[in-house]
Amino acid sequence: DILLTQSPALVSVSPGEKVTLSCRASQRVSNNVAWYHQKPGQSPRLLVYGASTRASGIPRRFSGTGSGTEFTLTISSLESEDFGVYFCQQYNDWVSVTFGGGTTVDFK
Amino acid sequence: QVQLVESGGDVVQPGKSLRLSCVASGFTFSSFTIHWARQAPGKGLQWVAVISSDGSYKYYTESVKGRFTVSRDNSINTVFLEMNNVRPEDTALYYCAKGGMIPQDAWHDRWGQGTLVAVSS
Repeated sequence: DILLTQSPALVSVSPGEKVTLSCRASQRVSNNVAWYHQKPGQSPRLLVYGASTRASGIPRRFSGTGSGTEFTLTISSLESEDFGVYFCQQYNDWVSVTFGGGTTVDFK
Repeated sequence: QVQLVESGGDVVQPGKSLRLSCVASGFTFSSFTIHWARQAPGKGLQWVAVISSDGSYKYYTESVKGRFTVSRDNSINTVFLEMNNVRPEDTALYYCAKGGMIPQDAWHDRWGQGTLVAVSS
């Protein structure tokens, strides 16, 4: 299986700040990476797929970059509803999809 | 609007069986792959299985191969996950999620609310 390592595990920020989350793959996955946001008690929500394409209805403050083994999700100006856990996912090996361990974004 | 609703979760003893269901609405169900993923309490996400739009291909994560079976009935917009010989480590919230029209488009653009499976003696 392709291993995805997310960093940091926890980041504490204030509303309005910029946040950068990282996801590193154990082997090249082209641009076949998605990002999800999960709030406590809720299901995950797709933010980005294809490493950089925002999903329908996702605000412009979310942007994804990367290719190969290094990927980044940036939130340009954090809003209160953005707190929670962010997961990356690789689907380059689509018969064995894997998720990263997650990054928790909480209040400073 | 797109909706997926899981059901069938329960408390089950190790070695027993359970069948989960996922009923979909709001999109052309027979045209899309459906995935199952799970989340142990307080943990991250683990992909479990995928079934193609016509049910012709099915893939599983290694830890459930030979024990879990995914199937679908496009006449009733429903996907099933048959879980046999369950283990304590199968305890999790099980989600179904909508994939793409082709298998390579394996991101999950909609998720259900999940159904809880607890394996305990």
